[in-house]
Amino acid sequence: KNQVEQSPQSLIILEGKNCTLQCNYTVSPFSNLRWYKQDTGRGPVSLTIMTFSENTKSNGRYTATLDADTKQSSLHITASQLSDSASYICVVSDRGSTLGRLYFGRGTQLTVWP
Amino acid sequence: EADIYQTPRYLVIGTGKKITLECSQTMGHDKMYWYQQDPGMELHLIHYSYGVNSTEKGDLSSESTVSRIRTEHFPLTLESARPSHTSQYLCASSGPGDRVAGELFFGEGSRLTVL
Repeated sequence: KNQVEQSPQSLIILEGKNCTLQCNYTVSPFSNLRWYKQDTGRGPVSLTIMTFSENTKSNGRYTATLDADTKQSSLHITASQLSDSASYICVVSDRGSTLGRLYFGRGTQLTVWP
Repeated sequence: EADIYQTPRYLVIGTGKKITLECSQTMGHDKMYWYQQDPGMELHLIHYSYGVNSTEKGDLSSESTVSRIRTEHFPLTLESARPSHTSQYLCASSGPGDRVAGELFFGEGSRLTVL
């Protein structure tokens, strides 16, 4: 069964600190992996996409990594801000899936304290 | 910023009522989706559409129905709401491109509570 597992389930850090969120998947054949940010009461917004050939990609203070061999991805947040408090969702798509069928993780709930 | 809108944002109704959750997008996207999201759980696909007059059921069984008469509009209807339908419903769309799903643009969600 294709699955996406995220850890930790929740995380509390102080403003200005760095953190790393993990995503392990068993989806095969792999096509791409996206990280979404979901603010409380809002819909998810895409942060970055990782394809099979990409190892690292940055979007401002967010840096995503992908190890396709071990089927692991991470999202590193540098110099956290209060506005980073949100749920971060890992979404993996496979090359054989019907359009629109994606595999979602349960998300990591990040809280940044002042 | 994505141009996809959901109404109502919040709805509290009694058991047995009929409800329609509205979703509209102004991006001209051909593909639209409805997801159900409960606290601490992953999003579950309940309906999707490739274009006008095309609708399919998703991975999660749902008693709701959808229609796609216009490209920009993808409403979801529950004929007789029950407390088990209490959840957050997220509408999303994606544009033309390769066969595998591209970036999803989500609405802000409709939080339904059935008493």
